[in-house]
Amino acid sequence: GAGVSQSPSNKVTEKGKDVELRCDPISGHTALYWYRQSLGQGLEFLIYFQGNSAPDKSGLPSDRFSAERTGGSVSTLTIQRTQQEDSAVYLCASSSRLAGAETQYFGPGTRLLVL
Amino acid sequence: AQSVSQHNHHVILSEAASLELGCNYSYGGTVNLFWYVQYPGQHLQLLLKYFSGDPLVKGIKGFEAEFIKSKFSFNLRKPSVQWSDTAEYFCAVNARDSGTYKYIFGTGTRLKVLA
Repeated sequence: GAGVSQSPSNKVTEKGKDVELRCDPISGHTALYWYRQSLGQGLEFLIYFQGNSAPDKSGLPSDRFSAERTGGSVSTLTIQRTQQEDSAVYLCASSSRLAGAETQYFGPGTRLLVL
Repeated sequence: AQSVSQHNHHVILSEAASLELGCNYSYGGTVNLFWYVQYPGQHLQLLLKYFSGDPLVKGIKGFEAEFIKSKFSFNLRKPSVQWSDTAEYFCAVNARDSGTYKYIFGTGTRLKVLA
């Protein structure tokens, strides 16, 4: 596609429910990243994928968070048993390859509200 | 722990004023440095980046940044701001650590330019 897309754009859920956030990277981009943006907190790096592999999952806030990527393309971020503190904008980005100086292209984000 | 500090959270300037946004990072190894910008209602996008060579980097829309290794700084500058520069600006550092990449963003600076 022309850019990184994310769905849903907004999600309201009740505390304790599971949610799944989806990211479609730019076609051909091998690297994919997930971030969380909370008010006044900047961007918090969660995880990155090189192809379908995530070498470092230490950025995920808790074991309720998981992410996967299939076919070297679409990625899903799953939050189980959501808590109110999970409310944030979840951003996805992709880059043509995994290298330090590569530009990341960001999607519009999914705004998650946990009631 | 690695971190990125942006000293100004909110900046208000009049058009034609000069701009300098501070960014300091803490990481002793080789880093790649970025400034991203988020205009109202738009996605995060790259403004400029440094990975090697000339420490003075020029980006889009007349922005530039200088990497001063001894000060662990990567300040963003623009000689004369325009109303259209109103946006949120994020400094970011990418570093390779134990074979994996770390991406660290600052908390952002909201710039408002008065017409």
